[in-house]
Amino acid sequence: DGGITQSPKYLFRKEGQNVTLSCEQNLNHDAMYWYRQDPGQGLRLIYYSQIVNDFQKGDIAEGYSVSREKKESFPLTVTSAQKNPTAFYLCASSIGGSGSIQYFGAGTRLSVL
Amino acid sequence: AQSVTQLGSHVSVSEGALVLLRCNYSSSVPPYLFWYVQYPNQGLQLLLKYTSAATLVKGINGFEAEFKKSETSFHLTKPSAHMSDAAEYFCAVSDRVGYGGSQGNLIFGKGTKLSVKP
Repeated sequence: DGGITQSPKYLFRKEGQNVTLSCEQNLNHDAMYWYRQDPGQGLRLIYYSQIVNDFQKGDIAEGYSVSREKKESFPLTVTSAQKNPTAFYLCASSIGGSGSIQYFGAGTRLSVL
Repeated sequence: AQSVTQLGSHVSVSEGALVLLRCNYSSSVPPYLFWYVQYPNQGLQLLLKYTSAATLVKGINGFEAEFKKSETSFHLTKPSAHMSDAAEYFCAVSDRVGYGGSQGNLIFGKGTKLSVKP
């Protein structure tokens, strides 16, 4: 089945630790996105990538980093510089371009120990 | 900058009653408009999308939305609520012209949680 796989489903971070969230898609989509979801805040864009080996900062990129070395994969690292990382993280992909539908993974819930 | 407003963070209806979830956008040029649904601890699923082909858009699970340019609105409706409709609903917009690689980016409203009472 085609889709987007996020792992792990739950993740715990210790103080000063970097953690990486995985996002893999087999939809052959060019564009991939990372969102952060907090209660009552909607979805906020962290980073996006329209093509392999290229990515841009979204609205809340501070404290996060990404890479796009393969078309299928867009991992997100939450660095120790992100002081409030507790949230639900969603990855999405699309064919790209204006009006294209974004398809979402099931999300990763990150908590701080 | 483009923005989306969803009026009402929580809406409660009785089973069988009309569902109306409100969405207004800010752009002077009609954008692409989307409604997504999110069940607890899951990702978002597309309900429907407005592209300008028709002002009344039918989606999955009996939902539909009407685009009204004069009101800059794209409200979501369902004639008869079912218990399984309880979820959070997000309206999103995508500009028809993007810059710097932002084509296709979505701007989301803050969401409306729908509760359905038996």
